[in-house]
Amino acid sequence: AAGVIQSPRHLIKEKRETATLKCYPIPRHDTVYWYQQGPGQDPQFLISFYEKMQSDKGSIPDRFSAQQFSDYHSELNMSSLELGDSALYFCASSLSGRAWYEQYFGPGTRLTVT
Amino acid sequence: AQSVAQPEDQVNVAEGNPLTVKCTYSVSGNPYLFWYVQYPNRGLQFLLKYITGDNLVKGSYGFEAEFNKSQTSFHLKKPSALVSDSALYFCAVRDPRPDAGNMLTFGGGTRLMVKP
Repeated sequence: AAGVIQSPRHLIKEKRETATLKCYPIPRHDTVYWYQQGPGQDPQFLISFYEKMQSDKGSIPDRFSAQQFSDYHSELNMSSLELGDSALYFCASSLSGRAWYEQYFGPGTRLTVT
Repeated sequence: AQSVAQPEDQVNVAEGNPLTVKCTYSVSGNPYLFWYVQYPNRGLQFLLKYITGDNLVKGSYGFEAEFNKSQTSFHLKKPSALVSDSALYFCAVRDPRPDAGNMLTFGGGTRLMVKP
């Protein structure tokens, strides 16, 4: 079965650079979520989109922005990168934004900021 | 605000023995509860969920979880552990109220080590 696709899988950037992470949800899933998992931490919710509109916002820094496109893929744009942004970034998708639908996670993008 | 607690950083169990990974939650109203497993350098895999109905929920790979409203717990269980079950397990909760948001709130994770 098709899963959530994230690209790139690994990314190395220097401080103050920008990065763009991409997420392709499972076909027919219209809701996308972004999570950040720091080393040894649990995933923290950043932001979500339902039908191309932002649906919820969590602990996403102002330096980050995201959007969902007409084909439901999503991009997380990160600017002025800091060392503390080094983490595993997960995208998850679900069929509709309803709370009882489980979220399916992608393999993650490991971002390293040097 | 919703929260999840996994009181054990690590659980050690011998292969073939039953295992329990504990989870307690705090949320207003009736919660939606989930268990995910994470293998090294991998994403989170959905195991099971409780939405409503029978308090004992069966999921993937022989795992099950029991919802206990009075104890606000949702412990993950398996009758006979396998070495391949060794991984990091996350409990997560969603507040079902319409204005609470759709995000999952995760517990801190419990590392399960199954020894041969």
